[in-house]
Amino acid sequence: DTAVSQTPKYLVTQMGNDKSIKCEQNLGHDTMYWYKQDSKKFLKIMFSYNNKELIINETVPNRFSPKSPDKAHLNLHINSLELGDSAVYFCASSLGGYDQPQHFGDGTRLSIL
Amino acid sequence: SQQGEEDPQALSIQEGENATMNCSYKTSINNLQWYRQNSGRGLVHLILIRSNEREKHSGRLRVTLDTSKKSSSLLITASRAADTASYFCATVTYTGNQFYFGTGTSLTVIP
Repeated sequence: DTAVSQTPKYLVTQMGNDKSIKCEQNLGHDTMYWYKQDSKKFLKIMFSYNNKELIINETVPNRFSPKSPDKAHLNLHINSLELGDSAVYFCASSLGGYDQPQHFGDGTRLSIL
Repeated sequence: SQQGEEDPQALSIQEGENATMNCSYKTSINNLQWYRQNSGRGLVHLILIRSNEREKHSGRLRVTLDTSKKSSSLLITASRAADTASYFCATVTYTGNQFYFGTGTSLTVIP
């Protein structure tokens, strides 16, 4: 019954590797998001995406790319991982845009060795 | 940055007491939202208040918005140990195309 689910929950990998995090929502929402939460709990939006438009936060390195096979999925692919990428990544979804409540997954904790 | 700032950063109270946390932001908003984050979990939406609203209630939660002061407050009445969490405000800019979370308040409710 999980509304927004992310896998894996934990991801430990070496610097320089490429990895993906998967996200699925079963709420019928048309907008999905990716957030990064750092060690101080600061949350920053990375991407928002619906079937019409991808909005990228300009501060996000182009090593990060969202991929959406369909409306219910928004995966996050990261190339050439760096130490500074260590964080918790959250997927979220909403019905419509920012003026609607967002539903969050439980996060993926990414640790770069 | 538009990112909201919350105070206090941390708050510790006894069960049964009220908890108040504040959020200040910098530019005009379309709406402001409050979220709760339990340790190790994702954020949960609590309340959304629009720029033309001054106060909203949901159960033990009361949110106020003062657009002239660019600030909002979240009051949790009769707190419970289960309210222990981090609380974040989030603002949507007036144009509706940008979304920012505040810095968060860590609330501990002591049984």
